[in-house]
Amino acid sequence: DAKTTQPPSMDCAEGRAANLPCNHSTISGNEYVYWYRQIHSQGPQYIIHGLKNNETNEMASLIITEDRKSSTLILPHATLRDTAVYYCIARGGSQGNLIFGKGTKLSVKP
Amino acid sequence: DVKVTQSSRYLVKRTGEKVFLECVQDMDHENMFWYRQDPGLGLRLIYFSYDVKMKEKGDIPEGYSVSREKKERFSLILESASTNQTSMYLCASSYGRNFQETQYFGPGTRLLVL
Repeated sequence: DAKTTQPPSMDCAEGRAANLPCNHSTISGNEYVYWYRQIHSQGPQYIIHGLKNNETNEMASLIITEDRKSSTLILPHATLRDTAVYYCIARGGSQGNLIFGKGTKLSVKP
Repeated sequence: DVKVTQSSRYLVKRTGEKVFLECVQDMDHENMFWYRQDPGLGLRLIYFSYDVKMKEKGDIPEGYSVSREKKERFSLILESASTNQTSMYLCASSYGRNFQETQYFGPGTRLLVL
């Protein structure tokens, strides 16, 4: 799986959009971009994934650049409950395990 | 909604005890996984299973065994617990024969071995 790079931390005001960037410059054509988050002392929660096209679900939007070398996870209206560590993973699925990097610690402030 | 449950959120055991961690998923997923998560080390795969009675070693299987007698249930066994097995244990499941499918995690079991 390709390596990903994320900022270690970010702050966001409650009610505003949180935009979390991820670089995956060595991603290969068959690797998906996955986002998970982990709230303190809980199991990771799946958020969204995509290959080429932008994706949206009830939790978030995923914007992938045309060259696929980077992506942005958007939480449109962040709440205090969105405070968590967010992990971006480029995954080819050739093996079973997920490899989480250090992620971005998002703090949503009132 | 996919639901993955784990038998305990917190567990305290003594060195040398046999420990059973259970995981149940309700989505008829073929694949199930056991990870441990430690600060600074990220997620590490212990074992996974792609079918009933089938198991494969992950990156750190030493000191652990697993059992999958039913499709929905995957157990992790610490034959003789040691202090270096103090960790957060996470179970996950995914659909299909292709490991590219999304993995869904349980809430985790925080194990302390004294």
